[in-house]
Amino acid sequence: NAGVTQTPKFRVLKTGQSMTLLCAQDMNHEYMYWYRQDPGMGLRLIHYSVGEGTTAKGEVPDGYNVSRLKKQNFLLGLESAAPSQTSVYFCASSYPGQGYGYTFGSGTRLTVV
Amino acid sequence: SQQGEEDPQALSIQEGENATMNCSYKTSINNLQWYRQNSGRGLVHLILIRSNEREKHSGRLRVTLDTSKKSSSLLITASRAADTASYFCATVRFGGSQGNLIFGKGTKLSVKP
Repeated sequence: NAGVTQTPKFRVLKTGQSMTLLCAQDMNHEYMYWYRQDPGMGLRLIHYSVGEGTTAKGEVPDGYNVSRLKKQNFLLGLESAAPSQTSVYFCASSYPGQGYGYTFGSGTRLTVV
Repeated sequence: SQQGEEDPQALSIQEGENATMNCSYKTSINNLQWYRQNSGRGLVHLILIRSNEREKHSGRLRVTLDTSKKSSSLLITASRAADTASYFCATVRFGGSQGNLIFGKGTKLSVKP
């Protein structure tokens, strides 16, 4: 029972490079989320999805794109990485509605130089 | 935008003592959740308390919610070294979409053996 799996766990990018972070969940959760965590800032929501084929913007969506082609996968893309995107990225998933806790992945530590 | 604010930012206690962390929030909520994050790991859901509940227990955890004061507290009784972690409160705004689970900046708890 893997829960939420994020790949890769670590990555170093040069400014301007692109990459995709993959999140996969095996709990048949309808909702999925991408957060970033920065020191002193807590977690901030980037994008989220309430179902296959649907995505929506969160609090800090600029510079990121997402896709949810399959229910179990939620991809986060950086088209042109910037040093300000250096952060730890967490994916989470949950059942639909507002009465459930989130299950988080173990994170991807991204450094943009 | 930050909804919940934890207090204190850091707390250091001896094993066996109780640890109390507080969370204040700004707008009416549907529910409030507490999460734990061990260093370098993802967040783990601890407990969810709904807006019509005043107190909830789970093992050594006790959560209270005072909607008139817009505050919640998390009490960990008989703390252990393994409780060393950061603790976050997260709120769902009343009437908000599922994407509106907003996290505070966390309380860093250190339990010394």
